[in-house]
Amino acid sequence: GQNIDQPTEMTATEGAIVQINCTYQTSGFNGLFWYQQHAGEAPTFLSYNVLDGLEEKGRFSSFLSRSKGYSYLLLKELQMKDSASYLCAPTGDSNYQLIWGAGTKLIIKP
Amino acid sequence: GAVVSQHPSWVICKSGTSVKIECRSLDFQATTMFWYRQFPKQSLMLMATSNEGSKATYEQGVEKDKFLINHASLTLSTLTVTSAHPEDSSFYICSALPGGKETQYFGPGTRLLVL
Repeated sequence: GQNIDQPTEMTATEGAIVQINCTYQTSGFNGLFWYQQHAGEAPTFLSYNVLDGLEEKGRFSSFLSRSKGYSYLLLKELQMKDSASYLCAPTGDSNYQLIWGAGTKLIIKP
Repeated sequence: GAVVSQHPSWVICKSGTSVKIECRSLDFQATTMFWYRQFPKQSLMLMATSNEGSKATYEQGVEKDKFLINHASLTLSTLTVTSAHPEDSSFYICSALPGGKETQYFGPGTRLLVL
Protein backbone atom coordinates (compact mmCIF):
# COMPACT_ATOMS: atom_id res chain seq x y z
CA GLY A 1 0.00 0.00 0.00
CA GLN A 2 0.91 3.66 -0.08
CA ASN A 3 0.93 5.76 3.03
CA ILE A 4 2.34 9.04 4.29
CA ASP A 5 2.48 10.01 7.94
CA GLN A 6 3.15 13.61 8.99
CA PRO A 7 1.99 15.55 12.03
CA THR A 8 -1.20 17.43 11.31
CA GLU A 9 -0.11 20.66 12.94
CA MET A 10 2.96 22.15 14.62
CA THR A 11 3.60 25.43 16.37
CA ALA A 12 6.94 27.20 16.63
CA THR A 13 8.31 30.57 17.64
CA GLU A 14 9.73 33.19 15.30
CA GLY A 15 13.51 32.87 15.09
CA ALA A 16 13.52 29.26 16.30
CA ILE A 17 14.17 25.96 14.50
CA VAL A 18 11.53 23.36 13.68
CA GLN A 19 11.77 19.85 12.26
CA ILE A 20 8.84 18.35 10.38
CA ASN A 21 9.02 14.57 10.17
CA CYS A 22 7.57 12.35 7.49
CA THR A 23 7.41 8.58 7.24
CA TYR A 24 6.21 6.92 4.10
CA GLN A 25 5.44 3.63 2.44
CA THR A 26 5.15 3.43 -1.32
CA SER A 27 5.05 0.55 -3.77
CA GLY A 28 7.75 2.20 -5.85
CA PHE A 29 10.17 4.85 -4.71
CA ASN A 30 12.72 7.02 -6.46
CA GLY A 31 12.82 10.15 -4.39
CA LEU A 32 10.94 12.47 -2.07
CA PHE A 33 9.76 16.03 -2.53
CA TRP A 34 8.89 18.73 -0.03
CA TYR A 35 6.52 21.47 -1.06
CA GLN A 36 5.28 24.54 0.79
CA GLN A 37 1.66 25.58 0.45
CA HIS A 38 0.33 28.83 1.87
CA ALA A 39 -3.37 28.96 2.62
CA GLY A 40 -5.39 29.49 -0.53
CA GLU A 41 -2.38 29.13 -2.80
CA ALA A 42 -0.80 26.39 -4.90
CA PRO A 43 2.24 24.43 -3.66
CA THR A 44 5.75 25.69 -4.33
CA PHE A 45 8.76 23.42 -4.65
CA LEU A 46 11.22 23.32 -1.75
CA SER A 47 13.44 20.26 -2.15
CA TYR A 48 13.94 16.91 -3.79
CA ASN A 49 15.97 14.12 -2.15
CA VAL A 50 17.02 11.03 -4.03
CA LEU A 51 20.05 9.90 -2.03
CA ASP A 52 20.31 9.33 1.71
CA GLY A 53 21.53 12.28 3.69
CA LEU A 54 20.97 15.93 4.32
CA GLU A 55 20.58 18.57 1.63
CA GLU A 56 20.82 22.17 2.72
CA LYS A 57 19.32 25.08 0.86
CA GLY A 58 19.48 28.33 2.76
CA ARG A 59 17.25 28.27 5.83
CA PHE A 60 15.67 25.00 4.73
CA SER A 61 17.27 21.55 4.83
CA SER A 62 15.80 18.18 3.94
CA PHE A 63 16.93 14.74 5.05
CA LEU A 64 16.18 11.33 3.62
CA SER A 65 16.71 7.77 4.83
CA ARG A 66 15.53 5.37 2.15
CA SER A 67 16.02 2.27 4.29
CA LYS A 68 13.85 3.69 7.07
CA GLY A 69 11.24 5.31 4.83
CA TYR A 70 11.84 8.55 6.67
CA SER A 71 12.43 12.16 5.81
CA TYR A 72 12.40 15.46 7.61
CA LEU A 73 12.33 19.11 6.68
CA LEU A 74 14.32 21.42 8.92
CA LEU A 75 13.47 25.11 8.98
CA LYS A 76 15.89 27.50 10.69
CA GLU A 77 15.53 31.14 11.75
CA LEU A 78 11.80 30.91 11.41
CA GLN A 79 9.96 33.89 10.00
CA MET A 80 6.26 34.69 10.18
CA LYS A 81 5.99 34.10 6.42
CA ASP A 82 6.96 30.46 7.01
CA SER A 83 3.48 29.85 8.40
CA ALA A 84 2.12 27.41 5.81
CA SER A 85 1.44 23.76 5.18
CA TYR A 86 4.42 21.59 4.33
CA LEU A 87 3.75 18.63 2.07
CA CYS A 88 5.92 15.53 2.04
CA ALA A 89 5.48 13.78 -1.33
CA PRO A 90 7.34 10.59 -2.16
CA THR A 91 7.27 9.24 -5.67
CA GLY A 92 4.94 6.36 -6.38
CA ASP A 93 4.99 3.76 -9.10
CA SER A 94 6.53 6.13 -11.64
CA ASN A 95 9.30 8.67 -11.30
CA TYR A 96 6.98 11.60 -11.65
CA GLN A 97 3.76 10.52 -10.02
CA LEU A 98 3.75 11.74 -6.44
CA ILE A 99 1.86 10.51 -3.41
CA TRP A 100 0.26 13.38 -1.52
CA GLY A 101 -0.73 13.50 2.12
CA ALA A 102 -2.58 16.24 3.94
CA GLY A 103 0.66 17.93 4.97
CA THR A 104 1.73 19.58 8.21
CA LYS A 105 0.29 22.96 9.05
CA LEU A 106 3.04 25.05 10.66
CA ILE A 107 2.01 27.99 12.80
CA ILE A 108 4.66 30.56 13.67
CA LYS A 109 4.09 32.72 16.72
CA PRO A 110 5.92 35.96 17.53
CA GLY B 1 12.77 29.75 -14.34
CA ALA B 2 10.07 27.02 -14.31
CA VAL B 3 7.07 29.32 -14.26
CA VAL B 4 3.59 27.92 -14.77
CA SER B 5 0.53 30.09 -15.28
CA GLN B 6 -3.15 29.29 -15.04
CA HIS B 7 -6.11 31.18 -16.41
CA PRO B 8 -8.53 32.17 -15.09
CA SER B 9 -7.47 32.51 -11.47
CA TRP B 10 -11.08 32.34 -10.37
CA VAL B 11 -14.39 31.73 -12.06
CA ILE B 12 -18.02 31.74 -11.02
CA CYS B 13 -20.49 29.98 -13.27
CA LYS B 14 -24.06 28.73 -13.31
CA SER B 15 -24.88 25.09 -12.82
CA GLY B 16 -24.97 23.24 -16.14
CA THR B 17 -22.44 25.40 -17.94
CA SER B 18 -18.93 24.42 -18.98
CA VAL B 19 -15.72 26.03 -17.81
CA LYS B 20 -12.31 25.86 -19.45
CA ILE B 21 -9.10 26.30 -17.47
CA GLU B 22 -5.76 26.84 -19.19
CA CYS B 23 -2.38 25.81 -17.88
CA ARG B 24 0.77 27.13 -19.55
CA SER B 25 4.44 26.53 -18.93
CA LEU B 26 5.99 29.93 -19.67
CA ASP B 27 9.71 29.26 -19.85
CA PHE B 28 10.05 25.55 -20.47
CA GLN B 29 8.51 22.74 -22.44
CA ALA B 30 6.39 20.31 -20.50
CA THR B 31 5.94 16.85 -21.93
CA THR B 32 3.73 15.99 -18.97
CA MET B 33 1.21 18.08 -17.08
CA PHE B 34 -0.94 17.11 -14.14
CA TRP B 35 -4.34 18.30 -13.03
CA TYR B 36 -5.23 18.31 -9.35
CA ARG B 37 -8.24 19.25 -7.30
CA GLN B 38 -8.11 20.35 -3.70
CA PHE B 39 -11.03 20.82 -1.34
CA PRO B 40 -10.59 23.02 1.74
CA LYS B 41 -8.23 21.57 4.32
CA GLN B 42 -7.73 18.41 2.29
CA SER B 43 -4.77 17.02 0.41
CA LEU B 44 -4.12 17.45 -3.26
CA MET B 45 -6.02 14.92 -5.32
CA LEU B 46 -4.59 13.97 -8.67
CA MET B 47 -7.29 13.95 -11.32
CA ALA B 48 -5.33 13.10 -14.43
CA THR B 49 -1.93 12.98 -16.07
CA SER B 50 -1.68 14.63 -19.45
CA ASN B 51 1.02 13.88 -22.02
CA GLU B 52 1.49 16.10 -25.04
CA GLY B 53 -0.16 14.66 -28.12
CA SER B 54 -1.84 11.73 -26.40
CA LYS B 55 -4.94 11.02 -24.36
CA ALA B 56 -4.89 11.87 -20.70
CA THR B 57 -4.71 9.17 -18.06
CA TYR B 58 -7.45 9.64 -15.50
CA GLU B 59 -7.32 8.53 -11.89
CA GLN B 60 -9.88 6.11 -10.57
CA GLY B 61 -13.19 7.79 -9.88
CA VAL B 62 -12.57 10.79 -12.13
CA GLU B 63 -15.05 10.97 -15.00
CA LYS B 64 -13.20 11.52 -18.26
CA ASP B 65 -16.34 12.71 -20.03
CA LYS B 66 -16.92 15.36 -17.41
CA PHE B 67 -13.35 16.58 -17.07
CA LEU B 68 -12.00 16.96 -20.59
CA ILE B 69 -8.26 17.39 -20.86
CA ASN B 70 -6.40 18.52 -23.94
CA HIS B 71 -2.62 18.77 -24.11
CA ALA B 72 -2.20 20.13 -27.60
CA SER B 73 1.29 21.57 -27.28
CA LEU B 74 4.37 21.31 -25.10
CA THR B 75 3.39 24.47 -23.26
CA LEU B 76 -0.39 24.28 -22.97
CA SER B 77 -2.90 21.95 -21.37
CA THR B 78 -6.57 22.70 -20.83
CA LEU B 79 -9.12 21.26 -18.44
CA THR B 80 -12.79 21.68 -19.30
CA VAL B 81 -15.34 21.01 -16.60
CA THR B 82 -18.46 20.13 -18.54
CA SER B 83 -21.96 20.60 -17.17
CA ALA B 84 -20.58 21.91 -13.92
CA HIS B 85 -22.52 21.38 -10.69
CA PRO B 86 -22.08 22.92 -7.24
CA GLU B 87 -20.18 19.85 -6.04
CA ASP B 88 -17.52 20.62 -8.68
CA SER B 89 -16.69 23.84 -6.82
CA SER B 90 -13.08 23.46 -5.79
CA PHE B 91 -9.52 24.68 -6.23
CA TYR B 92 -8.09 23.27 -9.47
CA ILE B 93 -4.32 23.28 -9.78
CA CYS B 94 -2.13 22.19 -12.65
CA SER B 95 1.52 21.28 -12.54
CA ALA B 96 4.05 20.84 -15.31
CA LEU B 97 7.05 18.58 -15.61
CA PRO B 98 10.01 19.90 -17.62
CA GLY B 99 11.27 17.34 -20.10
CA GLY B 100 13.76 14.95 -18.55
CA LYS B 101 13.22 16.32 -15.04
CA GLU B 102 11.45 14.94 -11.97
CA THR B 103 10.25 18.13 -10.29
CA GLN B 104 6.68 19.30 -10.83
CA TYR B 105 6.10 23.05 -10.91
CA PHE B 106 2.65 24.23 -10.01
CA GLY B 107 0.46 26.89 -11.49
CA PRO B 108 -1.21 29.36 -9.10
CA GLY B 109 -4.52 27.48 -9.23
CA THR B 110 -8.04 28.28 -10.36
CA ARG B 111 -10.82 28.66 -7.87
CA LEU B 112 -14.13 27.48 -9.33
CA LEU B 113 -17.49 28.30 -7.79
CA VAL B 114 -20.57 26.77 -9.37
CA LEU B 115 -23.85 28.35 -8.33
